[in-house]
Amino acid sequence: GAGVSQSPSNKVTEKGKDVELRCDPISGHTALYWYRQSLGQGLEFLIYFQGNSAPDKSGLPSDRFSAERTGGSVSTLTIQRTQQEDSAVYLCASSGQGNIGKLFFGSGTQLSVL
Amino acid sequence: SQELEQSPQSLIVQEGKNLTINCTSSKTLYGLYWYKQKYGEGLIFLMMLQKGGEEKSHEKITAKLDEKKQQSSLHITASQPSHAGIYLCGADGGYGGSQGNLIFGKGTKLSVKP
Repeated sequence: GAGVSQSPSNKVTEKGKDVELRCDPISGHTALYWYRQSLGQGLEFLIYFQGNSAPDKSGLPSDRFSAERTGGSVSTLTIQRTQQEDSAVYLCASSGQGNIGKLFFGSGTQLSVL
Repeated sequence: SQELEQSPQSLIVQEGKNLTINCTSSKTLYGLYWYKQKYGEGLIFLMMLQKGGEEKSHEKITAKLDEKKQQSSLHITASQPSHAGIYLCGADGGYGGSQGNLIFGKGTKLSVKP
């Protein structure tokens, strides 16, 4: 497709389980971002990948969160031992070379931890 | 780290009225971005402001950047129900120049009454 694709669109899990969220960025986009949006809150930056550079992990809230980007394309955000406070919409975005700030967002994954 | 504060948090206007949303940065701005989020549709890039005094328009939406005040304003003329949504401002989260980890304000929720 032409846009950023995220899967699954909805995920319900039990507290303590691990979850993996997937993001397919727009083809050719070098930058990839993960954000979290909780009810009534703004976008919380989690992690940023740019090309082959080391990712900026400064926004990850705890060591239960990790992300990787394989082959400079698809990215997976993993949350281990999920907690109820992890419930949120997880948004992925990508941007092209030289267009930092002009992000194309996916529709997000709604994560519910019971 | 940089923080962006938006005001007002929410706004209800009558169709046809003008309105202004503000975004103030805690640090020097090196570019300011406006996005719109509609329920179920993800975030859409509206415009990017890079220079002090710069003003851009997109349909009936105009945004300005005041570098000295570290502030941007978004103005909608003759509002329509299609303008309803959450408006978010974003900026580079680094201390200078482009660092890539784009951060966002908490958003302004706009409702337009027909």
